[in-house]
Amino acid sequence: QVQLQESGPGLVKPSGTLSLTCAVSGGSVSRSNWWTWVRQAPGKGLEWIGEIYHSGTTEYNPSLKSRVTMSVDKSKNEFSLTLTSVTAADTAVYYCARIGGITATTGFDSWGQGTLVTVSS
Amino acid sequence: DIQMTQSPSSLSASVGDRVTIDCRASQSISSHLNWYQQKPGKAPNLLIYAASSLQSGVPSRFSGSGSGTEFTLTITSLQPEDFATYYCQQSYGIPYTFGRGTTLEIK
Repeated sequence: QVQLQESGPGLVKPSGTLSLTCAVSGGSVSRSNWWTWVRQAPGKGLEWIGEIYHSGTTEYNPSLKSRVTMSVDKSKNEFSLTLTSVTAADTAVYYCARIGGITATTGFDSWGQGTLVTVSS
Repeated sequence: DIQMTQSPSSLSASVGDRVTIDCRASQSISSHLNWYQQKPGKAPNLLIYAASSLQSGVPSRFSGSGSGTEFTLTITSLQPEDFATYYCQQSYGIPYTFGRGTTLEIK
């Protein structure tokens, strides 16, 4: 069973860059799945950030597109998220997840535990 | 963006009850609708995908129905572990969007 684990700094300064990595175990990031990031501000709902395929093809939420970059490292079996020019509004728990099939019709079927990133000076 | 509207926003029920949660899309999304359960401090857990397909390992008391713009999650015979927040999500178009959630509380 695939397992995902987020890692990265828990505190980022305003106007700085948020960088997170999601390590995949029990499966290969090179399989026919998309990999995705979702965030949840404290006490709020879920917001989809974007997705990446092992080929490097990406799709981003237009609301974040100018600040988001995702990448995949097949040698390390992990994928990453970078969010630039952060503000307090980017404070959230960030989850990485696997999309169950070639399309998101199958839902996000495996999730990391989430990591809280706080934007503060 | 496709807007997802859930109702009710909160719901009180008792163990053994049957409950339904509704989700409406701002445009037709065919059957591209998923349901998640989230407990406090935990990641969401996929319950239903493609509107009515039960995710592996999910108890059969959970079921989903609907197509187009109207969808329903039904939980029959509520168990203590079912008290949580439920989210619908459309996977028809990018950006994928979630409903605001329905919190199911113990009466």
